[in-house]
Amino acid sequence: NAGVTQTPKFQVLKTGQSMTLQCAQDMNHNSMYWYRQDPGMGLRLIYYSASEGTTDKGEVPNGYNVSRLNKREFSLRLESAAPSQTSVYFCASSAGEAWNEKLFFGSGTQLSVL
Amino acid sequence: AQSVAQPEDQVNVAEGNPLTVKCTYSVSGNPYLFWYVQYPNRGLQFLLKYITGDNLVKGSYGFEAEFNKSQTSFHLKKPSALVSDSALYFCAVRPRTSGTYKYIFGTGTRLKVLA
Repeated sequence: NAGVTQTPKFQVLKTGQSMTLQCAQDMNHNSMYWYRQDPGMGLRLIYYSASEGTTDKGEVPNGYNVSRLNKREFSLRLESAAPSQTSVYFCASSAGEAWNEKLFFGSGTQLSVL
Repeated sequence: AQSVAQPEDQVNVAEGNPLTVKCTYSVSGNPYLFWYVQYPNRGLQFLLKYITGDNLVKGSYGFEAEFNKSQTSFHLKKPSALVSDSALYFCAVRPRTSGTYKYIFGTGTRLKVLA
């Protein structure tokens, strides 16, 4: 019963390097999300995908790109990492239907940009 | 601007005592309301939600939450706290607007239950 799987769990980058965070869900969910968690700021939405084939910006999209590869997978790319992107990143998914609505989260990726 | 407030960064309570973690929101309409819990080095886990109906919602691990429309609050409660309840708790709101998928999270409240 995997749920939402994120890779990698930890990553250290140098300023200017690029990387892609991978996320996959096995619950046949329509909607997928990328959040970042910073101390004292709660969770902030970076990008989301309401359904396969669509993506939209969230609160803090600058410096990130996303790809909804198929219904299962939603990746987050940092093209040129900056120290301000040091954070814990969470992928989440939901069915997207009101009465069944809730978010399922992955276990997170701890990213440090030096 | 739409927002969710959790006024307490930390709540300390003795084991066996009742606990309350506060949440108020400023979101138009009648949004969906949620509580999530985060244990150390883990992702968030769903606790409970309010969609409609009874103002007192029961959830996982003995938690419940009380919805108050006039005060736009959704406080998390538990009659008797356990040490294992110690974690970070997030209130979240999702507007009911058709086509809206964005959740708004509070900044989190750290609950410490003391033995």
